[in-house]
Amino acid sequence: QSALTQPASVSGSPGQSITISCTGTSSDVGGYNYVSWYQQHPGKAPKLMIYDVSNRPSGVSNRFSGSKSGNTASLTISGLQAEDEADYYCSSYTSSSFNWVFGGGTKLTVL
Amino acid sequence: QVQLVQSGAEVKKPGASVKVSCKASGYTFTSYGISWVRQAPGQGLEWMGWISAYNGNTNYAQKLQGRVTMTTDTSTSTAYMELRSLRSDDTAVYYCARSPYLGWYFDLWGRGTLVTVSS
Repeated sequence: QSALTQPASVSGSPGQSITISCTGTSSDVGGYNYVSWYQQHPGKAPKLMIYDVSNRPSGVSNRFSGSKSGNTASLTISGLQAEDEADYYCSSYTSSSFNWVFGGGTKLTVL
Repeated sequence: QVQLVQSGAEVKKPGASVKVSCKASGYTFTSYGISWVRQAPGQGLEWMGWISAYNGNTNYAQKLQGRVTMTTDTSTSTAYMELRSLRSDDTAVYYCARSPYLGWYFDLWGRGTLVTVSS
């Protein structure tokens, strides 16, 4: 069982917006602004999409945004495109073991 | 260019050890840490541990303590991950990933190394 909880799947139509949640505890998501999000296409390595809750690395589309409220972080993708179809993972620092934890992953389907 | 290049796929028998390498290029190796993350077939990501490329300090996931060793060779800008006493459930793709010392995220990933444990 993963330390962070994500929905197994979400879906949306092209052009729509979707939000993926990532729920943890006060020892990880809720206690620190160290949540990151990764996109993984089949057979490929993960790619950093958001770091420190809401920061986008250079080169990542501004259609991707992150936020946090309490123990739950969220990744929002606006203007869905076919290429956004992938697995998405959240990650956070955790003070319970002074390292990283991942969510179980969410499969995004673009209808 | 900035990249992490990993060694090739491995097939091992239960009880054996495997050592995976991760060669960095395009950036100052000692200015970042390296984590190892694995992904079993059809499963999610699992953080295994971290090593400072600057001084070799390590931090391992509790479930792997005693079976995993991470090292670096700064002369070749290469990180290594050795996993011992392999079991079938260690079958996975193993990724190395770079993280800044003042950041809790992975901004650069290797392409992964498939390790298959089978008798």
